[in-house]
Formats: sequence, C-alpha cells, structure tokens
Amino acid sequence: LAKTTQPISMDSYEGQEVNITCSHNNIATNDYITWYQQFPSQGPRFIIQGYKTKVTNEVASLFIPADRKSSTLSLPRVSLSDTAVYYCLVDSMNTGFQKLVFGTGTRLLVSP
Amino acid sequence: GAVVSQHPSWVICKSGTSVKIECRSLDFQATTMFWYRQFPKQSLMLMATSNEGSKATYEQGVEKDKFLINHASLTLSTLTVTSAHPEDSSFYICSARGLGFYNEQFFGPGTRLTVL
Repeated sequence: LAKTTQPISMDSYEGQEVNITCSHNNIATNDYITWYQQFPSQGPRFIIQGYKTKVTNEVASLFIPADRKSSTLSLPRVSLSDTAVYYCLVDSMNTGFQKLVFGTGTRLLVSP
Repeated sequence: GAVVSQHPSWVICKSGTSVKIECRSLDFQATTMFWYRQFPKQSLMLMATSNEGSKATYEQGVEKDKFLINHASLTLSTLTVTSAHPEDSSFYICSARGLGFYNEQFFGPGTRLTVL
C-alpha cells in the first residue's frame, strides 16, 4: 500500500477555507484516495473519496491532479467544530479494499 | 450512512483479568470487520481483520492468543483481551464493511480500556 505524508498540524480561523495536502508518491493504478475525520475519543468518520480530478460532497472537496501523487482536501468556511484530526489514506482495490493504513494525520485547530 | 456500535464505551479492569468488547453493525450486514488500537496522540493501528465465519487475520506483531476475535454473525464481532495488563490500556475501535457499501469502512465509537 502506498504511504501517505501530510502535515502534522494546521491552524485556521472560523470562516476560512482550509486546504490539507497529502502526498502519496507510490500510489498504484487501483488505489483510491480516502479522507477520514476523527474527533477525540471517537471513531473516524468518512469524509470523501476520489480517484482522479475533483470530487465534491456536502462537507468537502477533494482535488487530485493528473499524476495522482498528491491530493488536497478542501474544507470550505471551517467552524470551531471542524477541529479534529484528518487522515489521508490510500484504499486499494488490490486488497479488496480490505486494509486501511492510517498515517499520522493532520491536527486541524480552528480558532474563533 | 451505516451505524456501528461498540459496547462498552469504557471499561476499567484489574491486571490479569479478561475483557470482552462487542462491535455491532446496526443496520447492515458486515461481511468484514476490523479491529484497531489507538494510543493517546497516536494514529490508529490495525490489529486484525475478520470475515464472518472465518478465523481472523492478525497483523504482524499482534498476539492472536492475547487478542481473541470472534465474528460469529454478520452483525457482531467481539474482541477479548485476555489476561490484560496495564500496557494493554488503549482505545479500541472497530469498523465494518458491508455489502452495498463500496469502498467505505464504518467505524464504531471506540472503547476506552484502562487496566489497573
């Protein structure tokens, strides 16, 4: 499985757009990029998943360039409740999507 | 989305005792369930993967005789920490994948285990 690298922490203010970039240089053809959010003492929650170009849902957008070696999670107009750890993962069809390997994650702190 | 529950949400036990943690998929059939462990300020580490009716597959370094996993039905998996010791104190999280939920794992709320 491709290893992911993302910033350890980020700070932002309410109302701002936050972009968290993740690198996955060794991503394979059958790999998808998935982002999860985790609040303290809770299980992770699925945010978004994509394969290429752009994916948007009600909470976030995911931008994936043509080479797929990186991806950017975009959170529009963050609020205090978006303070959490965000994990970028590569989910592989080669393993039947059976295995998620969590990296260090990015701790996002949103201040008033 | 699908819901996964865990019970108990927290447990405190004495060293040497065994603790059982339940993981249930409430509104879908979980063909595969996963158990993770998370220490404070650290990431989740996959412990084992279990398919209904089959023996669990443990990750390297995880003692299968210490962490007993049973996936007896499509809605229930249990993790038993046998002869628990203080170093087993951690946050245990299960997740599940099911039919019709392509590519997505649904995580439970976690169980905080404290071994005294």
